[in-house]
Amino acid sequence: GAGVSQSPRYKVAKRGQDVALRCDPISGHVSLFWYQQALGQGPEFLTYFQNEAQLDKSGLPSDRFFAERPEGSVSTLKIQRTQQEDSAVYLCASSLAPAGGVKNIQYFGAGTRLSVL
Amino acid sequence: ILNVEQSPQSLHVQEGDSTNFTCSFPSSNFYALHWYRWETAKSPEALFVMTLNGDEKKKGRISATLNTKEGYSYLYIKGSQPEDSATYLCAFGGGGSQGNLIFGKGTKLSVKP
Repeated sequence: GAGVSQSPRYKVAKRGQDVALRCDPISGHVSLFWYQQALGQGPEFLTYFQNEAQLDKSGLPSDRFFAERPEGSVSTLKIQRTQQEDSAVYLCASSLAPAGGVKNIQYFGAGTRLSVL
Repeated sequence: ILNVEQSPQSLHVQEGDSTNFTCSFPSSNFYALHWYRWETAKSPEALFVMTLNGDEKKKGRISATLNTKEGYSYLYIKGSQPEDSATYLCAFGGGGSQGNLIFGKGTKLSVKP
């Protein structure tokens, strides 16, 4: 596709429910990032993939959060046993650069807005 | 903990006004400073990636400057238009990271016709 695609755009979950958020990066982009944006805050880094390898997961807030990118393209962020504090916009970004690199433009999807009731 | 601060938090201007806002970031271990524009219900759109002290970049009516020694960047919009209404985010990239960015909270700009 022309840009980064995320689905669903909106997700309402009951507390304790598991959710899965999908990201389709730009074709050929090696690097993929997940960010979490809570209300009133800037996006915060969650995890980074280079192809299928998860090289940094230091931003994942708890072991309820899990991300994968098994074939080096589509990525899924899974949240188990959702809590109210998980309510946020989850953004995915991809970059052409093979080694990440903060000097490279990151192309963002429109995000998934998760509301946990 | 690395902190990126943006000011003001929000800004209301009239169409035709010129405006500017500030991003402050750590001056040590600097690699890059990104500016993004985020319209409601759309994807954040990259405006500039700046890497060198003294960098000035321009895209249409929008321009940005960078001072890495004192740790700040300014974004300028000349002759604001209603379509400029958006949240403007800056993000710091530091050495040693895998490419993950540290974002400020953004400046929300509203341009009234």
